[in-house]
Amino acid sequence: KQEVTQIPAALSVPEGENLVLNCSFTDSAIYNLQWFRQDPGKGLTSLLLIQSSQREQTSGRLNASLDKSSGRSTLYIAASQPGDSATYLCAAQTGANNLFFGTGTRLTVIP
Amino acid sequence: GAGVSQSPSNKVTEKGKDVELRCDPISGHTALYWYRQRLGQGLEFLIYFQGNSAPDKSGLPSDRFSAERTGESVSTLTIQRTQQEDSAVYLCASSLGDGSETQYFGPGTRLLVL
Repeated sequence: KQEVTQIPAALSVPEGENLVLNCSFTDSAIYNLQWFRQDPGKGLTSLLLIQSSQREQTSGRLNASLDKSSGRSTLYIAASQPGDSATYLCAAQTGANNLFFGTGTRLTVIP
Repeated sequence: GAGVSQSPSNKVTEKGKDVELRCDPISGHTALYWYRQRLGQGLEFLIYFQGNSAPDKSGLPSDRFSAERTGESVSTLTIQRTQQEDSAVYLCASSLGDGSETQYFGPGTRLLVL
């Protein structure tokens, strides 16, 4: 069974810093790797989706990379802002049926 | 159009009662997923619907859990004889098809079983 791990569990940074969130997965046979943002009381928001054939995806200040062979993905956030504070989840999709989620990294950006 | 909606947003029930949770997917999305997130844990897959195909129920934790979907519209997740360990946020998601598309999530239903 696919297992997804995220490190660190929590992270606090001052506003303006660049930061990296890490995600690892045990089964490299994935369709894609997705990063989500979860805000309290709200649903998940999809941030980036990297297909298994891709190495990275970029959206604004966010850049996600994928290394299937080593079972790792990173989410890079440039010039962090207080509005970036949220829990970030990565998920590995191994088939059409479902995603395997990590437990998330809770990010706090301090003004 | 509108995103995925779920109702109710919060539900408090007594142990042993049945509950129904509703999900309205994005119009045109053929795939629909139910997940559960217990406090401090990651999301667990429960069930997947794709068009008119037989649903993938492999994630349902017990026979007290069931779900239905009529065509490509609303889905209902039913939990019978609720237990305290059923307390969680239940999230629904939909996507365009059965490939590697982005899943769009609803706000979830927070269920508390007393």
